[in-house]
Order: sequence, then C-alpha cells, then structure tokens
Amino acid sequence: DGGITQSPKYLFRKEGQNVTLSCEQNLNHDAMYWYRQDPGQGLRLIYYSQIVNDFQKGDIAEGYSVSREKKESFPLTVTSAQKNPTAFYLCASSIPQGRYGYTFGSGTRLTVV
Amino acid sequence: AQSVTQPDIHITVSEGASLELRCNYSYGATPYLFWYVQSPGQGLQLLLKYFSGDTLVQGIKGFEAEFKRSQSSFNLRKPSVHWSDAAEYFCAVVDTGTASKLTFGTGTRLQVTL
Repeated sequence: DGGITQSPKYLFRKEGQNVTLSCEQNLNHDAMYWYRQDPGQGLRLIYYSQIVNDFQKGDIAEGYSVSREKKESFPLTVTSAQKNPTAFYLCASSIPQGRYGYTFGSGTRLTVV
Repeated sequence: AQSVTQPDIHITVSEGASLELRCNYSYGATPYLFWYVQSPGQGLQLLLKYFSGDTLVQGIKGFEAEFKRSQSSFNLRKPSVHWSDAAEYFCAVVDTGTASKLTFGTGTRLQVTL
C-alpha cells in the first residue's frame, strides 16, 4: 500500500544536539512538506519542496534544515539553533497544486531532555 | 495571504446528536478547502474536500460540508455523532496561487459523551 512513513515515532534529544527526522513516501508525489504541531496552535509549515533538489522555507524555518535529493525522501534536521524544538512533527506529500489534499505520515514526537 | 479561522476550540456533544464545526476562511479567489481529522498522537486523515462544483460535499465516515461563498464558510456537519468521532478536526485551505501550500486552522477538539 502506498503511504508516508515517518521515523522514529518518538525521539529524545539533549540540548545542543542536532537530530534528523525521516520521511519517506511511495506515492510518487512531487511535493513534500514538513509541519510542526503544538497544542492550540494548529499546524505550522516549516519547509516544503515541490521538486527534487529544490525546497523553500515555510513560516517557521529558523532552526531547521531539509534536503530533497530523492523524490521519495524529505528528511528534516532540527538543529541546536531551534530554541524550542519539543513538538509533534508531521510530514506530508501531494501532487502539484495540492488539489486533492495532502497525505500525512503518522508523525514524530520530539522531546528535548 | 490566506487564513483559516475555527472559532470553537472545544465542543462537547452527546452520542447520537448532530454536529456542526465552524470554519471561516480568508482568500481572494475560489479556494480549495479541506477538512481533516486527527486522533491523539496520529497523523491527519482527509475527511472531505471542495474545489469546485456542488457546494455540498460528502466525505468519509458520514461527514459532509457546505461551501458558502457569501459567508466565506465551510462548516463540517454530521447528523448523528458516534463515540468514535471524538478527535481533533482541522479546516484547511490551499493557496492555489503560490506553491499549493496548505494553511490550517487551529483545530476544534470534539468530545463525545455517552
């Protein structure tokens, strides 16, 4: 079955460390997205990519980085510059223009300890 | 830029009662509109979508939504709620002009009492 796989489901990070969240899709979608979810704030866009080797900053890109070397993969790195990284991170993909909506992964919960 | 407002943070209904979740959007052109549902600790599942045509759209799990351009609204409804409908619901709009980014409302948490 086609879908999006995010790993790991839970991730713990010490302050000052970088961590990378994995997102893989087998839906043959061109566009991929990373959202951050905090209680009461809905979902906020971190980065998005519409094509391989190209990506754009979303609304809250500071302290994060991404790469898009393969169509299937869009990893997110949470750097030590991100002041408050504890959150639920969701990856999504879509066809161009998002006409049919996004398909979401099951998320990664990152906790700074 | 487009925006989405969900005025109700939390709603409680009895099982079997009807449900309406409100969503208002701000967008210049005809938007693509969506409703998603999220169970705790899970990803989002698409309930239904609107991008043209009939203003009343049917979705999965017995949900429907009506697009009202004059009110800039896209409210979600269900005639009879089941306990398993307890979850968080998000309304979203796509900016068809710039890169198909999906903008979400802040969500409405639905509690169902037995």
